[in-house]
Amino acid sequence: KQEVTQIPAALSVPEGENLVLNCSFTDSAIYNLQWFRQDPGKGLTSLLLIQSSQREQTSGRLNASLDKSSGRSTLYIAASQPGDSATYLCAVRWDSGAGSYQLTFGKGTKLSVIP
Amino acid sequence: DGGITQSPKYLFRKEGQNVTLSCEQNLNHDAMYWYRQDPGQGLRLIYYSQIVNDFQKGDIAEGYSVSREKKESFPLTVTSAQKNPTAFYLCASSIVAGSNEQFFGPGTRLTVL
Repeated sequence: KQEVTQIPAALSVPEGENLVLNCSFTDSAIYNLQWFRQDPGKGLTSLLLIQSSQREQTSGRLNASLDKSSGRSTLYIAASQPGDSATYLCAVRWDSGAGSYQLTFGKGTKLSVIP
Repeated sequence: DGGITQSPKYLFRKEGQNVTLSCEQNLNHDAMYWYRQDPGQGLRLIYYSQIVNDFQKGDIAEGYSVSREKKESFPLTVTSAQKNPTAFYLCASSIVAGSNEQFFGPGTRLTVL
């Protein structure tokens, strides 16, 4: 069974700092990994999707890396802003059997960027 | 505007009542999903559908039922058999089931009184 862990559970940084969020997964046989952002009481917004054959993806100030063999991904946020404050979730897609593809989520890292 | 809509945003239910949560998408996606989110826990998959008239149970399907009669709609019924239904429910869709990106709706918060 796939398990996804995100460390730390919460992080507080001053505005302007670069930061790294971590995600680890137990079964390296994944199809892809997706990073999401969730604001309080809202749905999830997809940030980046990395296919299993890729090493990283970039979007603006965000960069996500994937090391499938070691079961790890990182989300790098450059020059953090107060508007980046949210909970960040990672999820891995894997084959749970009979061709059914499941997305298993971590519990998230709650980021606070202090002005 | 293309996207996923969920209604209502907030829902209150008395114990013993069934209630149906709506999820509609106009993205022409084949696959749709229902997740449950509880404080301090990751999202957990309730049901998913890869195509019209087909759906499979996820990790926590007990006490829930779904239907997929139309491509754009995937309603979730929370039955009285669900022991702890108070939670935040999220619907998602993807082009097809498999390696594609999932997109999420805004969620419905269900509270049982």
